[in-house]
Amino acid sequence: GESVGLHLPTLSVQEGDNSIINCAYSNSASDYFIWYKQESGKGPQFIIDIRSNMDKRQGQRVTVLLNKTVKHLSLQIAATQPGDSAVYFCAENSKAAGNKLTFGGGTRVLVKP
Amino acid sequence: GAVVSQHPSWVICKSGTSVKIECRSLDFQATTMFWYRQFPKQSLMLMATSNEGSKATYEQGVEKDKFLINHASLTLSTLTVTSAHPEDSSFYICSAWTGGSYNSPLHFGNGTRLTVT
Repeated sequence: GESVGLHLPTLSVQEGDNSIINCAYSNSASDYFIWYKQESGKGPQFIIDIRSNMDKRQGQRVTVLLNKTVKHLSLQIAATQPGDSAVYFCAENSKAAGNKLTFGGGTRVLVKP
Repeated sequence: GAVVSQHPSWVICKSGTSVKIECRSLDFQATTMFWYRQFPKQSLMLMATSNEGSKATYEQGVEKDKFLINHASLTLSTLTVTSAHPEDSSFYICSAWTGGSYNSPLHFGNGTRLTVT
């Protein structure tokens, strides 16, 4: 079936550098996307979302980019901090899917001091 | 902000016993809640959709008689793992939808670590 997937399973980044996490999705009907951060032993924490009528959205230190042409989503974290170390998931939804989010496989971000 | 609370955060039970996990929306009403399961180093897999006042909708491959879901109020959904076996050991996470349409954030509880011995 259609799914959301990630290119990199693990990303090591130097503290202070910017991080970019990528996500490819295959459901062309998806029009709502969310990035979640999951720390060990905890539930996913909402970071930022974007609707398909936008190609960029910014939050505090985070930016999500959406390229519908190639079905690609990315999360940029500026000035990565040790507290950013976690697993990051992208998730997608569509009107047809209702509220059923489809999650990608996850990318672990390791911040090196 | 929206808060979803799960209880217990972890539980150890013996094979053959049943375990109940509670999911509460603390500052909003949730007509729909979702139950996910997550195995180590894997992504979240949707188990079922819990609807207040009606039967839950289960995903393909999820046994409805084994994973009993009750959503008796707008702020509480429960998942009962019946006759638990070691293969049911997992991280169970609930979520609730705060918005009025599909394109609004889903907020998650902090999960329940179930270990069946």
